[in-house]
Parts: sequence; structure tokens; C-alpha cells
Amino acid sequence: EPEVTQTPSHQVTQMGQEVILRCVPISNHLYFYWYRQILGQKVEFLVSFYNNEISEKSEIFDDQFSVERPDGSNFTLKIRSTKLEDSAMYFCASRRRSTEAFFGQGTRLTVV
Amino acid sequence: DQQVKQNSPSLSVQEGRISILNCDYTNSMFDYFLWYKKYPAEGPTFLISISSIKDKNEDGRFTVFLNKSAKHLSLHIVPSQPGDSAVYFCAASETSGTYKYIFGTGTRLKVLA
Repeated sequence: EPEVTQTPSHQVTQMGQEVILRCVPISNHLYFYWYRQILGQKVEFLVSFYNNEISEKSEIFDDQFSVERPDGSNFTLKIRSTKLEDSAMYFCASRRRSTEAFFGQGTRLTVV
Repeated sequence: DQQVKQNSPSLSVQEGRISILNCDYTNSMFDYFLWYKKYPAEGPTFLISISSIKDKNEDGRFTVFLNKSAKHLSLHIVPSQPGDSAVYFCAASETSGTYKYIFGTGTRLKVLA
């Protein structure tokens, strides 16, 4: 069964460093998302991406964040200068038109 | 700004009995609702969804009920099995927009053998 793949599964980084979280969505999906879950809290929407551009972003998704789909298969989330409060599980999701979204296993980001 | 709420953080049920998980929402623009199951250190796994044009959707042991006037949905699991023990999130979206999901805070279900 096709699945959304995320790498790495765990990333530890120093505060102020840049990180790139990678995702390979399901191949025939058109809509792509990043969500995050801070420990013990709910899953929060960060950004949606369609037709090679951001279609919506949340208040959390400030200028430190960016997304790219550089080669038609990968979908990346970059955090330019990480802060302690960026520590969370980051989930990539994708869907076709009018269907449910499928989520990856997540990347645990720890900022120290 | 909690547009989607799950007021029960945890629920324990005996194996074989019915589990009922509840979810309330405030935004009347939501017209598509989903339930996801999540194990620790894994991503959410889709369980079942319902469009606002329906009031019930069934898939095997899982049934979702939607009461639009009360802005309330529930997930029924019958019969409950120990493997159902997980955190369950309800999510809501507007199909006219980007389909982003607004998640509830989750309910931890424990099915006792």
C-alpha cells in the first residue's frame, strides 16, 4: 500500500541552526501539508501546498519556515533558524482531490 | 481558539463492549469530518470520515455519527478490541478551502482485556 515517507525520523539540532525535514508524498497525490504536534498538545496545521505554491499557511508558519517541492517527488520543510519552541513532531500529509489525507510517520525535531 | 474539542482526555472500556468517543466543533463552515487513530511515535492513521450531507457513516466496527444542529460528532467502535487502544483525534475541514484539518486534542482509549 502506498505511504507517505518522512526522513529523518529524529533530528537533533542546536538552536539557531537550519533544518530541513523531508517528505515523499504518495505519487498521484496533488495536495501536500505539514502539521506539527508539540508534546502533549494537539496536531496543528502549518501549511498547505498545491500546484507548486503555498495555498494556505497558519500563524505559526512565519518567515523562519519555508516549503519546497524541488523535484516533483520530494516535499521539504525548512526551518531557517531553529528555536527551542520548534521542538515537536512534524508530520507531512498528502491527498488526492476530495479524499482523506494520509500522514507520514513523522520527524521528531529536538532543538537544544 | 478551540474550534474542535474533545472533552474526554481518556476513556477505558472492556473488551467486547462499545467505545463512544465524542467531538464538538464551533465553526459552522466545517463540512467534512474525520477520525484518526494515533499510536505513540507514529503518524495519524485515517479511520473514517463523514460529509455534512450525511448523518451516519459505517465501516466495519466503526461508525461515525454527525449531528449538525448540535455541532457534534461521535465515533462508535463495536465491539472494542485491545488493539483499538490508542489516541483518537477528530478533525474537521471546509471543503471549499484547502481542506486543512483542524484537530481536536485527542482522547486516549484503553480497551481492557
